[in-house]
Amino acid sequence: DAKTTQPPSMDCAEGRAANLPCNHSTISGNEYVYWYRQIHSQGPQYIIHGLKNNETNEMASLIITEDRKSSTLILPHATLRDTAVYYCIVRANFGNEKLTFGTGTRLTIIP
Amino acid sequence: NAGVTQTPKFQVLKTGQSMTLQCAQDMNHNSMYWYRQDPGMGLRLIYYSASEGTTDKGEVPNGYNVSRLNKREFSLRLESAAPSQTSVYFCASSGYSALGEQYFGPGTRLTVT
Repeated sequence: DAKTTQPPSMDCAEGRAANLPCNHSTISGNEYVYWYRQIHSQGPQYIIHGLKNNETNEMASLIITEDRKSSTLILPHATLRDTAVYYCIVRANFGNEKLTFGTGTRLTIIP
Repeated sequence: NAGVTQTPKFQVLKTGQSMTLQCAQDMNHNSMYWYRQDPGMGLRLIYYSASEGTTDKGEVPNGYNVSRLNKREFSLRLESAAPSQTSVYFCASSGYSALGEQYFGPGTRLTVT
């Protein structure tokens, strides 16, 4: 799996959009970008994934640069319950390729 | 539909003792995984099972064994526990689909003294 780089921590005001960056400069053509989060030592929770197009679901939006070397996860209206560690992971999407977790970004939502 | 369940939730062992962590999923997923998470660290893969009847080593398999009992259940065994195995253990499962997301259980917090 390609290596990802994320800032160790970020703060965001409640109600504002939280933008979490991720660098994955060595990503290869068949690798997707996945985002998971872990709230207070619970099991990680899947958020979203994408290959090269921007993606949106009920939880978040994922913006991938045209060269695919970086991406941004956007939580449009952050709430206190979004306080968590967010992991950006790249992996090939065939079979059941395993996930490789880094240390992620600790996002704190400020009231 | 309970998703992924793990037992026990907490366990304290003495060095040298053995135990088995249980994991079950009710989503008819083919693949199952065991991870450990040490304080302040990301998750590291111990073992995984791509399908019933197969198991493979992950990043940190030493000191562990696994059994894929059937499609639903995947157990992790510590034969002789060591303090270095103090950690939180997460089980996960995923279906064989293009989406590929993994669903995680609530974790087992293990302390080895």
